Amino acid sequence: GQQVQQSPASLVLQEGENAELQCNFSSTATRLQWFYQHPGGRLVSLFYNPSGTKHTGRLTSTTVTNERRSSLHISSSQTTDSGTYFCAISPGANTGKLTFGHGTILRVHP
Amino acid sequence: NSKVIQTPRYLVKGQGQKAKMRCIPEKGHPVVFWYQQNKNNEFKFLINFQNQEVLQQIDMTEKRFSAECPSNSPCSLEIQSSEAGDSALYLCASSQGSGNTLYFGEGSRLIVV
Repeated sequence: GQQVQQSPASLVLQEGENAELQCNFSSTATRLQWFYQHPGGRLVSLFYNPSGTKHTGRLTSTTVTNERRSSLHISSSQTTDSGTYFCAISPGANTGKLTFGHGTILRVHP
Repeated sequence: NSKVIQTPRYLVKGQGQKAKMRCIPEKGHPVVFWYQQNKNNEFKFLINFQNQEVLQQIDMTEKRFSAECPSNSPCSLEIQSSEAGDSALYLCASSQGSGNTLYFGEGSRLIVV
């Protein structure tokens, strides 16, 4: 089956530092999403990015489809960025089922 | 911001009891998903619907899980006889179509004691 590997498993930053989160996947992904999970549980969609580069605020997602990898860059981290970041893929446009990585736990200290 | 509404936020059940969770998808989203997230951050896809029809589901061989999305009513996921291993966060998501962004609710956290 599909596998999604995320690294690092956890990351500790001082406020203001940048972070680079990685996602590697074992099969072609026609859908790739990055999610942020609040400590309380809600999963928030950050990017729908099966290929190319997208920006929103301090976040940048870059997916290189033929290399089966994606990254999430967080610039000038803030304490409110603390939480868990998940990468999830699905192989086909007509299947909704996502396969999730195990996440990267980010802690940003003031 | 996601407008998927899940209730209840928390439920505590004894082993063998029924546990029922509900989900109201975003307006205009015909596709609904249920996932189970365990304490190790492992996500398990359970089932998805398009309107009221099941699109895909895992082999719920234990027959303890059932789900439905009736028209004009919230979707629901029910565990007939809860077991300790069912303790998890149950997440509902909706989308405009199978190839579109998924939007998740806050989840229902089930604790089976």
